[in-house]
Amino acid sequence: AQSVTQLDSQVPVFEEAPVELRCNYSSSVSVYLFWYVQYPNQGLQLLLKYLSGSTLVKGINGFEAEFNKSQTSFHLRKPSVHISDTAEYFCAVGGRGSTLGRLYFGRGTQLTVWP
Amino acid sequence: DSGVTQTPKHLITATGQRVTLRCSPRSGDLSVYWYQQSLDQGLQFLIQYYNGEERAKGNILERFSAQQFPDLHSELNLSSLELGDSALYFCASSAKTGQHTDTQYFGPGTRLTVL
Repeated sequence: AQSVTQLDSQVPVFEEAPVELRCNYSSSVSVYLFWYVQYPNQGLQLLLKYLSGSTLVKGINGFEAEFNKSQTSFHLRKPSVHISDTAEYFCAVGGRGSTLGRLYFGRGTQLTVWP
Repeated sequence: DSGVTQTPKHLITATGQRVTLRCSPRSGDLSVYWYQQSLDQGLQFLIQYYNGEERAKGNILERFSAQQFPDLHSELNLSSLELGDSALYFCASSAKTGQHTDTQYFGPGTRLTVL
């Protein structure tokens, strides 16, 4: 079975500061990993995904994430955040085998960027 | 705008009632997924349809049912509603049958409030 743990429920940062949102997963098989963002009163939007290959994945809006198999982590980073990055961020693992296609989400991390 | 539409945006009803949530996938997408987002459980996968057929079931209660019609829109039926069913219900669509390479595009959600 797959599961995702987002270690921080809230992350406050100042504008132009770097940020890291942490995500750990557990799975008995190889995984596919995703980060989604949810702006207030909107649906989820894909930021980036790791399927295979290079462990450093670049996404939209200047975000990137690094897949670390030994530490079962997929942390999201941005070198300099903007006020507009304020949103909830969800890490998800893609199912394999009989659960192919479904996503297992973490509980989310609320990123708040202060001026 | 993801291209996935959901109606209604908000729904307020009473315990014991039945409601229907509607989802129209992106043009050309064959797969539809339903997710429930609640404060207690976070984001949870409910059910997936592909081209009219049920493909996968998650944590969906027996009081809930879904279907996908020939025009590919989907409906999620919730009956004998309880207070705990209050949540945000998301529909997502993808092009294929849930292959990991497919991005799931999320609609804006239907917020259900059971009083």
